[in-house]
Amino acid sequence: NAGVTQTPKFQVLKTGQSMTLQCAQDMNHEYMSWYRQDPGMGLRLIHYSVGAGITDQGEVPNGYNVSRSTTEDFPLRLLSAAPSQTSVYFCASSYSEYDSPEAFFGQGTRLTVV
Amino acid sequence: GEDVEQSLFLSVREGDSSVINCTYTDSSSTYLYWYKQEPGAGLQLLTYIFSNMDMKQDQRLTVLLNKKDKHLSLRIADTQTGDSAIYFCAETYGGATNKLIFGTGTLLAVQP
Repeated sequence: NAGVTQTPKFQVLKTGQSMTLQCAQDMNHEYMSWYRQDPGMGLRLIHYSVGAGITDQGEVPNGYNVSRSTTEDFPLRLLSAAPSQTSVYFCASSYSEYDSPEAFFGQGTRLTVV
Repeated sequence: GEDVEQSLFLSVREGDSSVINCTYTDSSSTYLYWYKQEPGAGLQLLTYIFSNMDMKQDQRLTVLLNKKDKHLSLRIADTQTGDSAIYFCAETYGGATNKLIFGTGTLLAVQP
Protein backbone atom coordinates (compact mmCIF):
# COMPACT_ATOMS: atom_id res chain seq x y z
CA ASN A 1 0.00 0.00 0.00
CA ALA A 2 1.24 3.48 -0.84
CA GLY A 3 -0.93 5.09 1.88
CA VAL A 4 -1.82 8.73 1.22
CA THR A 5 -0.13 10.22 -1.85
CA GLN A 6 -0.04 13.94 -2.56
CA THR A 7 1.11 15.65 -5.74
CA PRO A 8 2.88 17.89 -6.43
CA LYS A 9 5.37 18.11 -3.55
CA PHE A 10 6.27 21.73 -4.36
CA GLN A 11 4.50 24.42 -6.35
CA VAL A 12 4.98 28.11 -7.01
CA LEU A 13 1.99 30.09 -8.28
CA LYS A 14 1.45 33.65 -9.30
CA THR A 15 -1.32 35.61 -7.62
CA GLY A 16 -4.60 34.94 -9.39
CA GLN A 17 -3.63 31.59 -10.87
CA SER A 18 -5.65 28.50 -10.15
CA MET A 19 -4.45 24.98 -9.51
CA THR A 20 -5.46 21.62 -8.10
CA LEU A 21 -3.61 19.76 -5.38
CA GLN A 22 -4.06 16.03 -5.79
CA CYS A 23 -4.60 13.52 -3.01
CA ALA A 24 -5.12 9.78 -3.39
CA GLN A 25 -5.34 6.96 -0.87
CA ASP A 26 -5.35 3.21 -1.43
CA MET A 27 -6.61 2.08 1.98
CA ASN A 28 -10.33 2.22 1.09
CA HIS A 29 -10.87 4.89 3.74
CA GLU A 30 -14.25 6.59 3.79
CA TYR A 31 -13.00 9.75 5.45
CA MET A 32 -10.64 12.24 3.83
CA SER A 33 -9.59 15.75 4.83
CA TRP A 34 -7.41 18.68 3.81
CA TYR A 35 -5.39 20.74 6.28
CA ARG A 36 -3.01 23.64 5.95
CA GLN A 37 0.01 24.15 8.16
CA ASP A 38 1.30 27.63 8.87
CA PRO A 39 4.20 28.56 11.16
CA GLY A 40 3.19 28.72 14.80
CA MET A 41 -0.41 27.71 14.10
CA GLY A 42 -0.42 23.93 13.88
CA LEU A 43 -2.71 22.40 11.27
CA ARG A 44 -6.10 23.82 10.42
CA LEU A 45 -8.92 21.97 8.69
CA ILE A 46 -9.94 23.30 5.26
CA HIS A 47 -12.48 20.78 3.94
CA TYR A 48 -13.41 17.22 4.71
CA SER A 49 -15.42 14.34 3.28
CA VAL A 50 -17.20 11.35 4.78
CA GLY A 51 -17.53 9.49 1.49
CA ALA A 52 -17.86 9.77 -2.26
CA GLY A 53 -20.13 12.64 -3.20
CA ILE A 54 -20.18 14.19 0.31
CA THR A 55 -18.01 17.13 1.35
CA ASP A 56 -18.20 19.83 3.98
CA GLN A 57 -16.32 22.91 5.13
CA GLY A 58 -13.80 23.00 7.90
CA GLU A 59 -12.33 25.91 9.83
CA VAL A 60 -10.69 27.80 6.93
CA PRO A 61 -12.55 26.96 3.67
CA ASN A 62 -12.50 30.34 1.91
CA GLY A 63 -10.67 30.30 -1.43
CA TYR A 64 -10.74 26.51 -1.74
CA ASN A 65 -13.05 23.99 -3.39
CA VAL A 66 -13.15 20.23 -3.10
CA SER A 67 -15.01 17.34 -4.69
CA ARG A 68 -15.08 13.61 -3.97
CA SER A 69 -16.15 11.69 -7.05
CA THR A 70 -14.41 8.47 -5.95
CA THR A 71 -13.45 6.93 -2.62
CA GLU A 72 -9.75 7.11 -3.53
CA ASP A 73 -9.35 10.73 -4.62
CA PHE A 74 -9.95 14.06 -2.90
CA PRO A 75 -8.53 17.00 -4.91
CA LEU A 76 -8.26 20.51 -3.46
CA ARG A 77 -8.72 23.40 -5.87
CA LEU A 78 -7.41 26.90 -5.37
CA LEU A 79 -9.67 29.13 -7.38
CA SER A 80 -7.59 32.32 -7.51
CA ALA A 81 -4.36 31.99 -5.56
CA ALA A 82 -3.44 34.68 -3.04
CA PRO A 83 -0.20 35.18 -1.07
CA SER A 84 -2.15 34.32 2.11
CA GLN A 85 -2.52 30.80 0.72
CA THR A 86 1.23 30.24 0.90
CA SER A 87 1.38 27.24 3.20
CA VAL A 88 2.04 23.54 3.46
CA TYR A 89 -1.03 21.49 2.61
CA PHE A 90 -1.67 18.04 4.04
CA CYS A 91 -4.24 15.48 3.01
CA ALA A 92 -5.40 12.84 5.49
CA SER A 93 -7.59 9.75 5.40
CA SER A 94 -9.17 7.45 7.97
CA TYR A 95 -11.83 4.80 8.44
CA SER A 96 -15.24 5.69 9.76
CA GLU A 97 -15.32 2.69 12.06
CA TYR A 98 -15.31 3.48 15.76
CA ASP A 99 -12.53 1.05 16.55
CA SER A 100 -10.20 2.13 13.74
CA PRO A 101 -9.42 5.75 14.56
CA GLU A 102 -6.00 6.03 12.92
CA ALA A 103 -5.77 9.10 10.69
CA PHE A 104 -2.93 8.93 8.15
CA PHE A 105 -1.34 11.91 6.45
CA GLY A 106 0.38 12.43 3.14
CA GLN A 107 3.84 14.00 2.80
CA GLY A 108 2.46 17.44 2.06
CA THR A 109 2.47 19.97 -0.77
CA ARG A 110 4.52 23.12 -0.20
CA LEU A 111 2.80 25.97 -2.01
CA THR A 112 4.22 29.44 -2.51
CA VAL A 113 2.08 32.19 -4.02
CA VAL A 114 4.02 35.21 -5.29
CA GLY B 1 -14.05 27.56 19.97
CA GLU B 2 -12.12 24.41 20.59
CA ASP B 3 -8.45 24.80 21.37
CA VAL B 4 -5.42 22.60 21.92
CA GLU B 5 -2.36 24.03 23.63
CA GLN B 6 1.20 22.81 23.85
CA SER B 7 4.45 24.27 25.07
CA LEU B 8 6.67 25.34 22.17
CA PHE B 9 10.03 23.83 23.05
CA LEU B 10 11.62 21.05 25.09
CA SER B 11 15.30 20.21 25.34
CA VAL B 12 16.57 16.95 26.84
CA ARG B 13 19.79 14.96 26.92
CA GLU B 14 20.12 11.69 25.05
CA GLY B 15 19.09 8.79 27.29
CA ASP B 16 16.80 10.90 29.48
CA SER B 17 13.02 10.72 29.42
CA SER B 18 11.02 13.40 27.61
CA VAL B 19 7.55 14.48 28.63
CA ILE B 20 5.52 16.56 26.21
CA ASN B 21 2.30 18.06 27.55
CA CYS B 22 -0.96 19.11 25.93
CA THR B 23 -4.24 20.57 27.14
CA TYR B 24 -7.47 20.46 25.17
CA THR B 25 -10.95 21.90 25.54
CA ASP B 26 -13.41 19.66 23.69
CA SER B 27 -14.86 17.36 26.35
CA SER B 28 -16.63 15.35 23.64
CA SER B 29 -13.35 14.30 22.00
CA THR B 30 -13.38 10.59 21.40
CA TYR B 31 -9.74 10.12 20.49
CA LEU B 32 -6.54 12.00 21.16
CA TYR B 33 -3.46 11.58 19.03
CA TRP B 34 0.25 12.20 19.03
CA TYR B 35 1.96 12.87 15.71
CA LYS B 36 5.65 13.35 14.94
CA GLN B 37 6.92 15.65 12.18
CA GLU B 38 10.54 15.66 11.10
CA PRO B 39 11.90 18.64 9.11
CA GLY B 40 10.34 18.88 5.65
CA ALA B 41 8.30 15.73 6.17
CA GLY B 42 4.68 14.78 6.70
CA LEU B 43 2.99 13.77 9.93
CA GLN B 44 3.72 10.33 11.32
CA LEU B 45 1.09 8.88 13.64
CA LEU B 46 2.86 7.78 16.82
CA THR B 47 -0.02 6.67 18.94
CA TYR B 48 -3.56 7.48 19.97
CA ILE B 49 -5.69 6.99 23.04
CA PHE B 50 -9.39 6.50 23.43
CA SER B 51 -11.00 9.04 25.73
CA ASN B 52 -12.18 6.45 28.25
CA MET B 53 -8.61 5.25 28.87
CA ASP B 54 -6.15 6.67 31.40
CA MET B 55 -2.93 5.29 29.98
CA LYS B 56 -1.55 3.59 26.92
CA GLN B 57 1.95 2.18 26.53
CA ASP B 58 3.63 1.35 23.24
CA GLN B 59 7.32 0.40 23.49
CA ARG B 60 9.16 3.59 24.53
CA LEU B 61 6.00 5.71 24.40
CA THR B 62 3.58 6.21 27.28
CA VAL B 63 0.46 8.32 26.89
CA LEU B 64 -1.33 9.59 29.99
CA LEU B 65 -4.79 11.11 29.84
CA ASN B 66 -6.38 13.11 32.65
CA LYS B 67 -9.88 13.66 31.36
CA LYS B 68 -10.97 15.71 34.38
CA ASP B 69 -8.23 18.29 33.73
CA LYS B 70 -8.30 17.76 29.92
CA HIS B 71 -4.57 17.07 30.02
CA LEU B 72 -2.66 14.70 27.76
CA SER B 73 1.02 13.84 27.95
CA LEU B 74 3.48 11.84 25.89
CA ARG B 75 6.48 10.32 27.64
CA ILE B 76 9.37 9.08 25.54
CA ALA B 77 11.71 6.81 27.47
CA ASP B 78 15.45 6.67 26.68
CA THR B 79 15.19 9.60 24.26
CA GLN B 80 17.47 9.33 21.21
CA THR B 81 18.75 11.97 18.78
CA GLY B 82 16.42 10.46 16.18
CA ASP B 83 13.51 11.56 18.35
CA SER B 84 14.33 15.21 17.61
CA ALA B 85 11.25 16.54 15.80
CA ILE B 86 8.06 18.51 16.29
CA TYR B 87 5.36 16.64 18.20
CA PHE B 88 1.71 17.51 17.68
CA CYS B 89 -1.16 16.70 19.95
CA ALA B 90 -4.58 16.47 18.26
CA GLU B 91 -8.14 15.77 19.32
CA THR B 92 -11.16 14.68 17.33
CA TYR B 93 -13.79 17.34 16.99
CA GLY B 94 -17.07 15.79 18.07
CA GLY B 95 -15.62 12.32 17.74
CA ALA B 96 -14.98 12.49 13.98
CA THR B 97 -11.59 11.20 12.85
CA ASN B 98 -11.77 13.37 9.74
CA LYS B 99 -11.96 16.55 11.82
CA LEU B 100 -8.89 16.89 13.97
CA ILE B 101 -7.94 19.92 16.01
CA PHE B 102 -4.20 20.29 16.37
CA GLY B 103 -1.97 21.99 18.86
CA THR B 104 0.80 24.28 17.67
CA GLY B 105 3.42 21.59 18.17
CA THR B 106 6.32 21.10 20.58
CA LEU B 107 9.85 21.13 19.19
CA LEU B 108 11.85 18.41 20.95
CA ALA B 109 15.62 18.92 20.79
CA VAL B 110 17.73 16.00 21.97
CA GLN B 111 21.28 16.89 22.97
CA PRO B 112 23.95 14.20 22.56
